[in-house]
Amino acid sequence: AQKVTQAQTEISVVEKEDVTLDCVYETRDTTYYLFWYKQPPSGELVFLIRRNSFDEQNEISGRYSWNFQKSTSSFNFTITASQVVDSAVYFCALTLAGGTSYGKLTFGQGTILTVHP
Amino acid sequence: EAQVTQNPRYLITVTGKKLTVTCSQNMNHEYMSWYRQDPGLGLRQIYYSMNVEVTDKGDVPEGYKVSRKEKRNFPLILESPSPNQTSLYFCASKNTGTSGYNEQFFGPGTRLTVL
Repeated sequence: AQKVTQAQTEISVVEKEDVTLDCVYETRDTTYYLFWYKQPPSGELVFLIRRNSFDEQNEISGRYSWNFQKSTSSFNFTITASQVVDSAVYFCALTLAGGTSYGKLTFGQGTILTVHP
Repeated sequence: EAQVTQNPRYLITVTGKKLTVTCSQNMNHEYMSWYRQDPGLGLRQIYYSMNVEVTDKGDVPEGYKVSRKEKRNFPLILESPSPNQTSLYFCASKNTGTSGYNEQFFGPGTRLTVL
């Protein structure tokens, strides 16, 4: 069975600080996909990024960056120069490429990020 | 516009009163699923459907039923709701094409309170 752990339940920072959200996953499959979703106070799930297990290249998108390390089974998310609008719950998730769990997203517990002005 | 819709968005009900949360997608997706979100637990899959008339249990199916009579619709049925089913529910759909990964689309969520 797959497992995703987000050990940080809540993080509080002041605007312009950098913040890293941790995500550790477990799976025996060699082909899988990892995701980050943002859930703002309005409640919808906003897709941020997908990474497949064969692509360990780090990615940067504006103030967001992601560090994928298979050796430590981690897929961490960093927000540079945080802003109040970044306040949300962030979920890390994993899905397998096939098999009986096809399509199912296994989510972490979520990290509540609060950015204070 | 490609989307997944859920109704109602908010619902307060009482224990034992049957209810249905509807989910509809306009993208001709084969795969649909339901998740519930609870604090500290993230989202967990309740049921999923690979195609019309094909449904199966997810991780937390107890107390729920689903049906898939049409490709676009995947209603979630609570025959006798209980307070422990108070939660935020999400419907999702995706294509099942064989090449690469096909994006999963989520509905806006349904906040259910069972008194």
